[in-house]
Amino acid sequence: GIQVEQSPPDLILQEGANSTLRCNFSDSVNNLQWFHQNPWGQLINLFYIPSGTKQNGRLSATTVATERYSLLYISSSQTTDSGVYFCAVDLGGYALNFGKGTSLLVTP
Amino acid sequence: KAGVTQTPRYLIKTRGQQVTLSCSPISGHRSVSWYQQTPGQGLQFLFEYFSETQRNKGNFPGRFSGRQFSNSRSEMNVSTLELGDSALYLCASSLQGAAFFGQGTRLTVV
Repeated sequence: GIQVEQSPPDLILQEGANSTLRCNFSDSVNNLQWFHQNPWGQLINLFYIPSGTKQNGRLSATTVATERYSLLYISSSQTTDSGVYFCAVDLGGYALNFGKGTSLLVTP
Repeated sequence: KAGVTQTPRYLIKTRGQQVTLSCSPISGHRSVSWYQQTPGQGLQFLFEYFSETQRNKGNFPGRFSGRQFSNSRSEMNVSTLELGDSALYLCASSLQGAAFFGQGTRLTVV
């Protein structure tokens, strides 16, 4: 299957700072999604973005399919942004292959 | 619209027993996928069902099985539980690709 690598693995920010999370993938994709897992384990779908750019409030994402990477931008971070951010790509059908995630801690 | 519902939320089982987990997808979603999350292996795909047919299967032993009913609800079963099966099991329902997850079932095998 398509390999997914996320960086950085860990990130600590002060509230109000901006950050960029990266997802590299090894082959062309039809499906790329970003998720946020909160401390209770719930995975929240942030973006479905196999190509192009999308924005949702303080979050935005860009996927450059021809260069096989996607970026997730978090602006003016808040403590509630803490958790693990996952990038996932298609395995076939709607099945997903997840990266190992970026663990984000936002401090007051 | 109600989200994805997984039951039970927590489960403790003994080695050798079997367990059945349930997932009710978002209304109208015909695809249900299951994932296992452990600290060591991360999030791993188990299987995907679409309109009652298994469409994809991950690399798990035959002790892990699943099915989907005509109302799109899905169950997964793990037989002969091992300590290593302790994990968070997540179910996702999908419509046109975007996946929406339930809160998960945390299984502890003792």
